Amino acid sequence: SSELTQDPAVSVALGQTVRIICQGDSLRSYYATWYQQKPGQAPVLVIYGKNNRPSGIPDRFSGSSSGNTASLTITGAQAEDEADYYCNSRDSSGNHKVFGTGTKVTVL
Amino acid sequence: QVQLQESGPGLVKPSGTLSLTCAVSSGSISSTNWWSWVRQSPGKGLEWIGEIYHSGRTNYNPSLKSRVTISVDKSKNQFSLKLSSVTAADTAVYYCARGYNGYDYAYLDYWGQGTLVTVSS
Repeated sequence: SSELTQDPAVSVALGQTVRIICQGDSLRSYYATWYQQKPGQAPVLVIYGKNNRPSGIPDRFSGSSSGNTASLTITGAQAEDEADYYCNSRDSSGNHKVFGTGTKVTVL
Repeated sequence: QVQLQESGPGLVKPSGTLSLTCAVSSGSISSTNWWSWVRQSPGKGLEWIGEIYHSGRTNYNPSLKSRVTISVDKSKNQFSLKLSSVTAADTAVYYCARGYNGYDYAYLDYWGQGTLVTVSS
């Protein structure tokens, strides 16, 4: 299967920790990449590979993977972390990319 | 810092062909990167359309493959998207992005601001 499934929405209290889940068969072979998208803006890369953050991404963002599940964790969520988050990976063929269904994170 | 800028008609008639160009600045399209197109229908999630390497090698979303052509113009440092036989379902914000494909991971690190294309008569 080439699908990546995410919970539609999660909420987190300010300063608390939230984990966003992405599931799909291809994640057994390929790491997930995570993007943050705020309304009206282009997506921003936040995590790639095993657990790599691009320059400028706060260290409260971290990634992990086990079996067919990848996770993005925000430790100490801030108000500015409220956004949609998408996972992305290759499909099982390795030649095509697929995005997850997206998770809306609300910071309370 | 690499910058990408999409350009093209904002309105396309049904059954017509959507054509967009992505100009790359402060970076070479002949680098070891892949150049992608991603779209987002209003209120929906992201959809990967396809990608191209400067050699001309392409990968397309299987669900769009029959209608999509991505090409590269190294002399102009830009790449382009053509999507044929469009319908209202192709109305979306179209993004171009720079990508890197590793052995067991891939990412898109620089994105254009996106351009809205509406399919309507």
